[in-house]
Amino acid sequence: NAGVTQTPKFQVLKTGQSMTLQCAQDMNHEYMSWYRQDPGMGLRLIHYSVGAGITDQGEVPNGYNVSRSTTEDFPLRLLSAAPSQTSVYFCASRRNANTGELFFGEGSRLTVL
Amino acid sequence: EDQVTQSPEALRLQEGESSSLNCSYTVSGLRGLFWYRQDPGKGPEFLFTLYSAGEEKEKERLKATLTKKESFLHITAPKPEDSATYLCAVHIVPSNTGKLIFGQGTTLQVKP
Repeated sequence: NAGVTQTPKFQVLKTGQSMTLQCAQDMNHEYMSWYRQDPGMGLRLIHYSVGAGITDQGEVPNGYNVSRSTTEDFPLRLLSAAPSQTSVYFCASRRNANTGELFFGEGSRLTVL
Repeated sequence: EDQVTQSPEALRLQEGESSSLNCSYTVSGLRGLFWYRQDPGKGPEFLFTLYSAGEEKEKERLKATLTKKESFLHITAPKPEDSATYLCAVHIVPSNTGKLIFGQGTTLQVKP
């Protein structure tokens, strides 16, 4: 089973560039989410989706966009990268918003110069 | 404010030396408490879910317990392959975000 697949694993951007982190899951999960992990800050929720066509903001949404056109895919877009967005990004999914454990991808390490 | 605190931040053990990791939480209402293991450069890997005080779950050398204010992850006779960062997270009620609130983790190193 592939589970949650994220690409790319590593990316270096210059300030002001845009990019998209891809996330796909093959478990037919309704709920998908993006977290960022920073030293001393733990994992923080950026955006989440409770189903196709539905997205909402987490606790640190500024500078990021998401969309959920299919159940499987949940891309995260950085509109104009800033050094403060240097982090490790994790996509995670679960059966629905209230049930089951969260399954994580392997992570995408982003550096913004 | 909902909060999760893990202690200690780092723990070094000799192989075979049992110990416990602590996760204390202050939340409005608990739907579930989760333990994850994270290896360097990898995503968190699910270990346990606990739902109510008094509940216990075991997996190999790991045993998780839950009270009304904290959870413990007991590691019995650890081996070097148990070295990792262990994360605790809570799912609160009321909530329709599915959000888990994570602690900052305990980094465990087990020396042979």
